[in-house]
Amino acid sequence: GAVVSQHPSRVICKSGTSVKIECRSLDFQATTMFWYRQFPKQSLMLMATSNEGSKATYEQGVEKDKFLINHASLTLSTLTVTSAHPEDSSFYICSATAERGGLYTQYFGPGTRLTVL
Amino acid sequence: KNEVEQSPQNLTAQEGEFITINCSYSVGISALHWLQQHPGGGIVSLFMLSSGKKKHGRLIATINIQEKHSSLHITASHPRDSAVYICAAPRGSNYKLTFGKGTLLTVNP
Repeated sequence: GAVVSQHPSRVICKSGTSVKIECRSLDFQATTMFWYRQFPKQSLMLMATSNEGSKATYEQGVEKDKFLINHASLTLSTLTVTSAHPEDSSFYICSATAERGGLYTQYFGPGTRLTVL
Repeated sequence: KNEVEQSPQNLTAQEGEFITINCSYSVGISALHWLQQHPGGGIVSLFMLSSGKKKHGRLIATINIQEKHSSLHITASHPRDSAVYICAAPRGSNYKLTFGKGTLLTVNP
């Protein structure tokens, strides 16, 4: 149980286009999902916290107008990279929280590798 | 200073060796996560523990809440264990994670 999927797994796009990444919790409902970005050989960096039915909370330095987050249901959150540029090329990972035995566990998606040409 | 510190940063072992990766944290936490990231990038949650010890196959995780320290052990290491191992501690009431910088483990045959 507790599987999180991401789609697409890999995307290549031209500079200036927008890219949507989906994050789904397949067998549980997640009130909170997190979006991370990871550059090569670096740690995951939290971009935003996504709560179902409310606006996402962005970390300092992350442009909310560039990285649009929609958490439309308890099993789906989407991240849209608008007007992508080569510096947005990165590995984007989502996670979804679920309560297990009184503790909240984060389950990670497999990630989406974005390459902007 | 990162609130979660891991050591070593890099670790090379021969197949069959016993591996230990350490994690120290400076904030009070309710539980600590150990994650595994393979070269392809996908992250697998190995353990979440709040006290004592947990075991799954050849992997063992221990935590000492008083000393704010956790260890991940791999017994009889195998080349397929080669990956980056990351410890992460939740911060705040919304369960954001603070990540260690990761330990790159390479197990040679």
